[in-house]
Amino acid sequence: DTGVSQDPRHKITKRGQNVTFRCDPISEHNRLYWYRQTLGQGPEFLTYFQNEAQLEKSRLLSDRFSAERPKGSFSTLEIQRTEQGDSAMYLCASSPPSSHSTEAFFGQGTRLTVV
Amino acid sequence: QKEVEQDPGPLSVPEGAIVSLNCTYSNSAFQYFMWYRQYSRKGPELLMYTYSSGNKEDGRFTAQVDKSSKYISLFIRDSQPSDSATYLCAMSLEYGNKLVFGAGTILRVKS
Repeated sequence: DTGVSQDPRHKITKRGQNVTFRCDPISEHNRLYWYRQTLGQGPEFLTYFQNEAQLEKSRLLSDRFSAERPKGSFSTLEIQRTEQGDSAMYLCASSPPSSHSTEAFFGQGTRLTVV
Repeated sequence: QKEVEQDPGPLSVPEGAIVSLNCTYSNSAFQYFMWYRQYSRKGPELLMYTYSSGNKEDGRFTAQVDKSSKYISLFIRDSQPSDSATYLCAMSLEYGNKLVFGAGTILRVKS
């Protein structure tokens, strides 16, 4: 499978616990994005990497959220001290260098439930 | 007011109908426009991509962008039950920039 891969697909955690999600982008895609989607809404931008550099973070991304992309390959999104409001689908997307095309391709998402 | 407005539906049509899905937006600087299809509990799947104004056709799907009216459309011809999904419009200011999504329109095609 050469698409964007996310792990785990589902995560149930207790309030206050830390969680970490992983995203493996399409090979050779240098741009990687994280979005959050709640029921009945479109995805909302969280943060964006070009190679290993984190170029933009949304105001939605509180201090409890941190994302990394070491070596410009896979990325992780960590949420510390989870709250019930963090329950959502966390989507990762990647896009290729500008000389190829401009579309963003999404993974299947990680569904987080905070109880 | 949201940057991108999209009627959530649901929109229910008989099989074979022509479907029209629309979004309006407020930021005239948007240049790239996309339509994604999302099945329940799955990630969005890119359907159509358009740069600036104009039309683009791909099989049963046609995307239209009218930048003067800040209005984009997706037409689906000969709709099938398998087209039943949520359709999300998305747009960005420049290449590689973050996408701003509409809330999505739920489409149901009845056989």
